Amino acid sequence: DAKTTQPNSMESNEEEPVHLPCNHSTISGTDYIHWYRQLPSQGPEYVIHGLTSNVNNRMASLAIAEDRKSSTLILHRATLRDAAVYYCILRGNAGNMLTFGGGTRLMVKP
Amino acid sequence: DAMVIQNPRYQVTQFGKPVTLSCSQTLNHNVMYWYQQKSSQAPKLLFHYYDKDFNNEADTPDNFQSRRPNTSFCFLDIRSPGLGDAAMYLCATSRVRGFNEQFFGPGTRLTVL
Repeated sequence: DAKTTQPNSMESNEEEPVHLPCNHSTISGTDYIHWYRQLPSQGPEYVIHGLTSNVNNRMASLAIAEDRKSSTLILHRATLRDAAVYYCILRGNAGNMLTFGGGTRLMVKP
Repeated sequence: DAMVIQNPRYQVTQFGKPVTLSCSQTLNHNVMYWYQQKSSQAPKLLFHYYDKDFNNEADTPDNFQSRRPNTSFCFLDIRSPGLGDAAMYLCATSRVRGFNEQFFGPGTRLTVL
């Protein structure tokens, strides 16, 4: 599986936008970019995924670079409840496995 | 609400004493997964079931086994727990193989004394 690189941690202020970067320079043409997050003492939860075009849902937006070698998860207004570890994962269309990398620990300050 | 349920949330066992962790789902999903998550690490897939078809990850120790008696339930058996097996064990489901989203339970934290 192609690997992803994320910063270990990031800090944000409450009610401000947050941009969480992910590098995946060895991504293949069929790899989808998935984001999951894990709140403290909980299992991971799905956030968003995309292939080539930017994606929006009720939780977040996903901006994918034109060459697909990087992507950014955007939380439009961070809340204290968004403090979690965010995982960027590449997943082939035919596969159903999730290979979690290190993730980014997001801290949100009031 | 449809969900993935893990019981118990906390399990304590003794070194070498077999232990079973349980997972059930009300989502009627075909695929069920077990992950191990050690402290400050990312979850690591141990194995998964696609229906009754068992799929073991290559580096999963033989000490770990799994059973899926029906669609709703899946069990993780640790035959002889060692201190290194202390971790959070996460169960997850997905509707079909290749379906995008996995749904995770809250996990069972296993302590080995």
